[in-house]
Amino acid sequence: EAGVTQFPSHSVIEKGQTVTLRCDPISGHDNLYWYRRVMGKEIKFLLHFVKESKQDESGMPNNRFLAERTGGTYSTLKVQPAELEDSGVYFCASSQGGYRPTDTQYFGPGTRLTVL
Amino acid sequence: QKEVEQNSGPLSVPEGAIASLNCTYSDRGSQSFFWYRQYSGKSPELIMSIYSNGDKEDGRFTAQLNKASQYVSLLIRDSQPSDSATYLCAVEGYNFNKFYFGSGTKLNVKP
Repeated sequence: EAGVTQFPSHSVIEKGQTVTLRCDPISGHDNLYWYRRVMGKEIKFLLHFVKESKQDESGMPNNRFLAERTGGTYSTLKVQPAELEDSGVYFCASSQGGYRPTDTQYFGPGTRLTVL
Repeated sequence: QKEVEQNSGPLSVPEGAIASLNCTYSDRGSQSFFWYRQYSGKSPELIMSIYSNGDKEDGRFTAQLNKASQYVSLLIRDSQPSDSATYLCAVEGYNFNKFYFGSGTKLNVKP
């Protein structure tokens, strides 16, 4: 079974440009999460999709970030315009959904974004 | 106050020794706890999950949970050089839809 995949693995852009990150979750997983790790800090939650709906976007830093999940499959995270402080590693995770006490999240390899 | 606290390390142990990694969390309502291992440049990989007070063993790994004291630990027995990585403690939020991570503890196992 394929794991969570992310594209690109690295992206270097200049301040003010636009970047779009893509995540393909594990097939059949309803839940998709985006996290970010800024250098020297912990991994922080950005948002959560259940299928195509945004369940929680409380971690999105500001309105320069836009996440979508087309048809409940893959997701994109767009940063427009990018700022220096957006640099970091963006992780995507997915989980199957519907299982308690918890629902294990499986992580992708991340996209390393560098804004110059 | 951070939701999840870990000692950043590095923690150095000789090969064959027991490595002990600790984590504390702030939300008393948290119910689910996870340890992930992350090699440099790779994705976090789930090692253990624990939901009830006490110990949970899986091979060389033992997770310990004490909800009253709000701490979680991971013991690695017979540590191997291949265990050298950053270990992330994750706690599921009260609303069951996000994980809170510690900053990770870097473990070095010396041959």
